[in-house]
Amino acid sequence: RKEVEQDPGPFNVPEGATVAFNCTYSNSASQSFFWYRQDCRKEPKLLMSVYSSGNEDGRFTAQLNRASQYISLLIRDSKLSDSATYLCVVNGRANNLFFGTGTRLTVIP
Amino acid sequence: EAGVAQSPRYKIIEKRQSVAFWCNPISGHATLYWYQQILGQGPKLLIQFQNNGVVDDSQLPKDRFSAERLKGVDSTLKIQPAKLEDSAVYLCATQRGPYNEQFFGPGTRLTVL
Repeated sequence: RKEVEQDPGPFNVPEGATVAFNCTYSNSASQSFFWYRQDCRKEPKLLMSVYSSGNEDGRFTAQLNRASQYISLLIRDSKLSDSATYLCVVNGRANNLFFGTGTRLTVIP
Repeated sequence: EAGVAQSPRYKIIEKRQSVAFWCNPISGHATLYWYQQILGQGPKLLIQFQNNGVVDDSQLPKDRFSAERLKGVDSTLKIQPAKLEDSAVYLCATQRGPYNEQFFGPGTRLTVL
């Protein structure tokens, strides 16, 4: 079983739409959770950390459900600039990171 | 603050040849990672260094891949001999300490013909 599994996508949504990505992880001992964003032919960059209580950063909301080993990312009022691949990331032993395959989002004018 | 530097940015080689990649971390970042990202997949960890010591190399194909981080700063990743399936982007990432953000370099795009 993969360490991290994500919605395969791709997601094509109109500007202004709300879109949600989901992710599950296999290691119940994981303590750190993140969403990274990767633009085409660029390196991944941290979008936000995911906290147990859920957290919000502007139009982005991340949630964690430890019991179900499930992480989500909600993007409200999608902008064209949100088009990218969103990577679900979970820490493993030695604090290394396991990345999901990524979910590709395209926001359409 | 300068970011993670990697070179070369692109490399094309034939199978069975050797290749080396270089990474210069952000100053003060003790932890350094090498990842392999195959097209359409997420980054996969190859090796993790803490200063100049190896923390995790369980996913490094040691028959052909090697990496070192002499003096706990710059790092090199080598492949010899290369196979077609090694075609990927090789990303270096560094981190100040546990649970801190990982910063990625721009990557080296390797094509093996």
